[in-house]
Amino acid sequence: GQQVMQIPQYQHVQEGEDFTTYCNSSTTLSNIQWYKQRPGGHPVFLIQLVKSGEVKKQKRLTFQFGEAKKNSSLHITATQTTDVGTYFCAALVGGQNFVFGPGTRLSVLP
Amino acid sequence: NAGVTQTPKFRVLKTGQSMTLLCAQDMNHEYMYWYRQDPGMGLRLIHYSVGEGTTAKGEVPDGYNVSRLKKQNFLLGLESAAPSQTSVYFCASGPGTNLPQHFGDGTRLSIL
Repeated sequence: GQQVMQIPQYQHVQEGEDFTTYCNSSTTLSNIQWYKQRPGGHPVFLIQLVKSGEVKKQKRLTFQFGEAKKNSSLHITATQTTDVGTYFCAALVGGQNFVFGPGTRLSVLP
Repeated sequence: NAGVTQTPKFRVLKTGQSMTLLCAQDMNHEYMYWYRQDPGMGLRLIHYSVGEGTTAKGEVPDGYNVSRLKKQNFLLGLESAAPSQTSVYFCASGPGTNLPQHFGDGTRLSIL
């Protein structure tokens, strides 16, 4: 079954609004990765978080790893049409398999 | 700098046919992966390799075989294609930290 969950499944925002997607696991994660996939494209690696409570920023994107290392979030400030796509989190589960969440599909209305 | 290259980009097969998907990377990465992506399911790991001559099973290995005879190439084989294997297949590679960093453009495979 799905070991890494993401919410929401879909999000529609007006350009300029903020957006947040959440990634949750029932087990403690050693690290977590975030990827973006444009419609019709391939996943693009964004960032890896390793430390408890870690916060990293990439321009308008802010990534956070929870204190208990069971959840993570990706926040986009002032969305632009170029942010459209599906955002996936992924984590090493059971020490072996790298499992992707189902993704959050973001639509940005101009 | 090509990165990760997948061939073919599209293919239509009939049930029972066999085929091989080729993945090539030019970044000297140790790890290579094969994923399939179905609507609403995210990416699921089929097989992966931690180095030349090694392979390991992922989440959904049944019906697929892989080989890593050369470090830069990772082949995914379907011996007897089934309609349930209709999907988009992505190959990825990464350095020796079990982190898929670079993905190919994908292969759209339809099995009738």
